Order: sequence, then structure tokens, then C-alpha cells
Amino acid sequence: EAQVTQNPRYLITVTGKKLTVTCSQNMNHEYMSWYRQDPGLGLRQIYYSMNVEVTDKGDVPEGYKVSRKEKRNFPLILESPSPNQTSLYFCASSYSGPSYNEQFFGPGTRLTVL
Amino acid sequence: SQELEQSPQSLIVQEGKNLTINCTSSKTLYGLYWYKQKYGEGLIFLMMLQKGGEEKSHEKITAKLDEKKQQSSLHITASQPSHAGIYLCGETLDYKLSFGAGTTVTVRA
Repeated sequence: EAQVTQNPRYLITVTGKKLTVTCSQNMNHEYMSWYRQDPGLGLRQIYYSMNVEVTDKGDVPEGYKVSRKEKRNFPLILESPSPNQTSLYFCASSYSGPSYNEQFFGPGTRLTVL
Repeated sequence: SQELEQSPQSLIVQEGKNLTINCTSSKTLYGLYWYKQKYGEGLIFLMMLQKGGEEKSHEKITAKLDEKKQQSSLHITASQPSHAGIYLCGETLDYKLSFGAGTTVTVRA
């Protein structure tokens, strides 16, 4: 089944404790991206990747890191999480860039930083 | 980044009634996307519009992009409980994808 998977689905952590949220797709998609969703602010793009070893900042990259060492994986790293990073996170992928291509979204990761 | 304004922010509709959601941009849209999200879940692609005046339908959902390519509407005919959720419009600029804040739709039996 074609899908985007994220792990973990739920995470409660404390300020400053490094964490990684994994994202994997099995569709051989070139484009992958991360979003956070907050009430009243909608969905905002954090980082995106056009292909292996090619990543770039979205609209809200501060406090996050990403890497794209393999085509299928695009982990999101929070080196020192803070409470303002409490949010619902989504990973997405598409065949190539976002223009004219349907984005396939993962189920989301709900992160709480205490 | 270009900002998308969605209206209304939320709406409640009686089952069987029609509803319309609007998405407006201050600049020309080069690709407009509609997604649906069930609460707390991932987004599901609905439709993509590219050309001015374009209209697409899928089952009871119709989306239109105006001639100036600055406004899109999503219309649901004879709403059902399965139509409940959050509807988001999105647009691309360079390699970024931006979304409106979303419209929450509640369908009352």
C-alpha cells in the first residue's frame, strides 16, 4: 500500500531533550516536506527536500533540522525542543515538486513539550 | 510568502443542505489545491485547479478558480456527515507549499 508513515504518533517530552520524528514513504517520491499545524495558524511548512541531499527552509524552520540521506526517509530533528514547538506535525511527499503534484500526507505526530 | 485567506473560518450546515467555502489570494495563483482533513488526521487531496475559469467536480464537491486566478470556491451539494472536517486551500510558490488557515465544517443530522 502506498503510504507515508510517521513515528511516533504521539510524544510527550521535556524542554531541551533532543528528539527525532521519522518520516518514510514507499512511493519513490522525490519531494518531501514537513509541516506543523497550530490552531488559528493553519498548516505551515517547516522544511522541504527536492531530492536526496537537497533540503531547504520553509516558512518556519527555526528550531528544527532535517536530513535526506535516502530517498524514502526525511527525519525531523528537534535539537533542543521548547514548549512553543508543541504542535501537530505532518510529513508529506509527492512525485516531484509541489507544483501540479498531489501531496500525500502522513497521519501526523502530536508533540507536547513540557 | 503569498497569503491565502479562507472564509468562513467555520460553518455548521444541516444535513442535505449546500455549503460554499472561499479561498482568496492577493496575487495570482499559479496552482490552487483543495485538501480535506478529518480532525487530528492527515490531509486528503481533493482537487487541483490551474487555469482561470477552471471548474472540477468529484462526487458532490465542486471547485472553481475565477478568471483572474485570485479566488477559488469549494461547493458541496446536499451535504452528508462524511463531509464534516477541515477544508484547506493551498498554493505553491517556487518549491514551497502554503495553506490557508482552514474552514471547519460541521454537518448536523
